[in-house]
Amino acid sequence: GAGVSQSPSNKVTEKGKDVELRCDPISGHTALYWYRQRLGQGLEFLIYFQGNSAPDKSGLPSDRFSAERTGESVSTLTIQRTQQEDSAVYLCASSLDGQTNEKLFFGSGTQLSVL
Amino acid sequence: GDSVTQMEGPVTLSEEAFLTINCTYTATGYPSLFWYVQYPGEGLQLLLKATKADDKGSNKGFEATYRKETTSFHLEKGSVQVSDSAVYFCALSDRDKLIFGAGTRLAVHP
Repeated sequence: GAGVSQSPSNKVTEKGKDVELRCDPISGHTALYWYRQRLGQGLEFLIYFQGNSAPDKSGLPSDRFSAERTGESVSTLTIQRTQQEDSAVYLCASSLDGQTNEKLFFGSGTQLSVL
Repeated sequence: GDSVTQMEGPVTLSEEAFLTINCTYTATGYPSLFWYVQYPGEGLQLLLKATKADDKGSNKGFEATYRKETTSFHLEKGSVQVSDSAVYFCALSDRDKLIFGAGTRLAVHP
């Protein structure tokens, strides 16, 4: 597609349930990033993929959070046993090859609400 | 660790007013610096960047100069338009990722 696509755009879930968030990066982009934005706060880095490998998972807040990427394309962020503090907008971004001066292309995000 | 601090919003201006949004950073190395913008209903997009000290990034009438001595990268525009209303994020590069500030909302009124 023309840009980074994320689905669903909105997700409402009950505390304790598992959720999966999907990101389709721009075709040919080898680097993929997940960020989280809580209400009124900045973007919080979660994880970075180069190809299908994740050399930097330092931002994942707990072992309830995991992510994978397949085919150097689609990525899924999974949150197990969701908690209310997980409520946030989850943003995905991709770039051509992960060089630090490169432009990141962002999706519109998934708004997650945990009741 | 590395971090970015930007002025709190919202910033409310009349059309054609001068804009400054302050951004300062803390970094152990020599990062590249960025401003990203999020227009209503859209994803973040790169506005401008500077890769070394004294570089000036510019785009769409916005400018920011990389000041190593004051560890700052303030965003400026001489005459804002209603269409500039958005949330602006300052960011720095940290090895393999970008670290973002909290964002500053700008509202421009006719």
